[in-house]
Amino acid sequence: EAGVAQSPRYKIIEKRQSVAFWCNPISGHATLYWYQQILGQGPKLLIQFQNNGVVDDSQLPKDRFSAERLKGVDSTLKIQPAKLEDSAVYLCASSLPGTGGTEAFFGQGTRLTVV
Amino acid sequence: GESVGLHLPTLSVQEGDNSIINCAYSNSASDYFIWYKQESGKGPQFIIDIRSNMDKRQGQRVTVLLNKTVKHLSLQIAATQPGDSAVYFCAERERAAGNKLTFGGGTRVLVKP
Repeated sequence: EAGVAQSPRYKIIEKRQSVAFWCNPISGHATLYWYQQILGQGPKLLIQFQNNGVVDDSQLPKDRFSAERLKGVDSTLKIQPAKLEDSAVYLCASSLPGTGGTEAFFGQGTRLTVV
Repeated sequence: GESVGLHLPTLSVQEGDNSIINCAYSNSASDYFIWYKQESGKGPQFIIDIRSNMDKRQGQRVTVLLNKTVKHLSLQIAATQPGDSAVYFCAERERAAGNKLTFGGGTRVLVKP
């Protein structure tokens, strides 16, 4: 079974530039999460989709971050303009919905460095 | 707001000994509590979960204990191996919030040979 795919693996940009991350979840997984993980901290949920609808985006800095999941499959996360404090690993995860198992499968993440 | 936290940032353990990682949570509405393992350069990997109406669940070399009275969660790793060296996160899932998955701050486990 293919895992969650993310690209790019690494990205270095200057502050005030824009950047986009891409995620392809596991086939059939309706739930998709984007997390921000700052070095030494646990993942922080930015946005959660159920199919192509947003379930939770309460911690997404909407003045600069946006995300979409067209057709309920792939998703992109964008930052515009980037700030130094956005330097982090951005993790995408997917899971099956419902009351069953809680296993969320994570991609390897995109390491963003803002200089 | 809801939070999931850990007591110990780093745990050093001798190979072959048992490891215990602790976690405190605050959201009583969570229906599942989960442990994840994260190795360097990789995304978190599911280890084991426990439903909120249970006290204990065992897996292969791992046991999770849940104490709802004091809102405490622990992960026990038996006969710790070098491959267990990683950062461990507890997380909680709230079904009523659309299966929102919230992570704590993590504990680094270092296994000494």
